[in-house]
Amino acid sequence: DIQMTQSPSSLSASVGARVTITCRASQKISSYFNWYQQNPGKAPKLLISDASTLQSGVPSRFSGSGSGTDFTLTISSLQPEDSATYFCQQSYNLPYSFGQGTKLEIK
Amino acid sequence: EVQLVESGGGLLQPGGSLRLSCAASGFTFSSYWMHWVRQVPGKGLVWVSRINTDGSSTDFADSVKGRFTISRDNAKNTLYLQMNSLRAEDTAVYYCARDPSATRGYFDLWGRGTLVTVSS
Repeated sequence: DIQMTQSPSSLSASVGARVTITCRASQKISSYFNWYQQNPGKAPKLLISDASTLQSGVPSRFSGSGSGTDFTLTISSLQPEDSATYFCQQSYNLPYSFGQGTKLEIK
Repeated sequence: EVQLVESGGGLLQPGGSLRLSCAASGFTFSSYWMHWVRQVPGKGLVWVSRINTDGSSTDFADSVKGRFTISRDNAKNTLYLQMNSLRAEDTAVYYCARDPSATRGYFDLWGRGTLVTVSS
């Protein structure tokens, strides 16, 4: 099974800051990689698919990059509504697997 | 409105059975692969199972293989998860999720989830 390791597990940043979350796969997964945002008590929301494809309606301050084993989610200018937990996911092989999550808080 | 709505969760004892449902609306349900993903409250997401568009192909996580069955009724726009021989470690919120591309495996629409608690 493919293991996904996210870092950091939590972070706190100020409004307007540039934030980066990373995720590493235990083996190469090409671009079969996705990012989700989850608010407390809510279902996850797909932000980015295929490593870098921004979903419709997602603000352009979100971007994704990477291929192979190392991937990055960047928020270019943090907004208060970005406070959430972010999960990465590989869809290269079954069982699909997720990172443990990054809890992002606004200072 | 495009949505998925899960139902059927509850509290039950170890060894029990439960069937979850996921009602789809606002889109052509029969055109999409569908998945179940679970989450222990406050913890991470775990993929459970998937089914293809006509129900002829299914896959399961090892942790539920042989105990859970996934099925769908395209005429009723409903996805199911039959859960047997339940264990305490199956306690979680269960989400159904839509997969817009069977070859890419990401989930673009999620339900709000239904809580399953297995406890004596």
